[in-house]
Amino acid sequence: EAGVVQSPRYKIIEKKQPVAFWCNPISGHNTLYWYRQNLGQGPELLIRYENEEAVDDSQLPKDRFSAERLKGVDSTLKIQPAELGDSAVYLCASSQGDTSEGQYFGPGTRLLVL
Amino acid sequence: RKEVEQDPGPFNVPEGATVAFNCTYSNSASQSFFWYRQDCRKEPKLLMSVYSSGNEDGRFTAQLNRASQYISLLIRDSKLSDSATYLCVVNTEVLTGGGNKLTFGTGTQLKVEL
Repeated sequence: EAGVVQSPRYKIIEKKQPVAFWCNPISGHNTLYWYRQNLGQGPELLIRYENEEAVDDSQLPKDRFSAERLKGVDSTLKIQPAELGDSAVYLCASSQGDTSEGQYFGPGTRLLVL
Repeated sequence: RKEVEQDPGPFNVPEGATVAFNCTYSNSASQSFFWYRQDCRKEPKLLMSVYSSGNEDGRFTAQLNRASQYISLLIRDSKLSDSATYLCVVNTEVLTGGGNKLTFGTGTQLKVEL
């Protein structure tokens, strides 16, 4: 079974530029999560989708971050404009239903903003 | 107080040693608990769930103490390949919006040496 797929794996951009990350969850997983992980920290939730509905986006900086999961499968996370402090690893995860059995993570996108 | 607290380490231990990691959580309503393993520059991967009765998987034993809001992970007969960061993860029901949320600790770094 294929795992969570993310692209790109690495991205280097200059500040004020836009950037987008893509995620394809495990087949059949209706819940999708975007996390940000800074060096030396655990992942922090940005947004959680149940199918195509964003049910928890309380930690998403909405002035510059946006996300969508139009058909309830793939998802895109966008930052516009990027700031130096956005440099981090952006992880996508998925689960089947609630999180009582844990989540499965993709390899992440490592973003560097110069 | 952080929702999930761990000693960041690093724990440097010789091969064959027994090592224990502890984790405390602040929300007494938390429902389920996990240990994840994260290798350097890789995504977190589910190591094991933590049950009230305690559970064992080979050389790994996880314990939960709900009264003290405390979780532990014991690794016996450490191998070089056990070197990684171990993330304590707590699953809590989200009151607004429904569903559950995983909160990650900052992780404890383990280095197993010859």
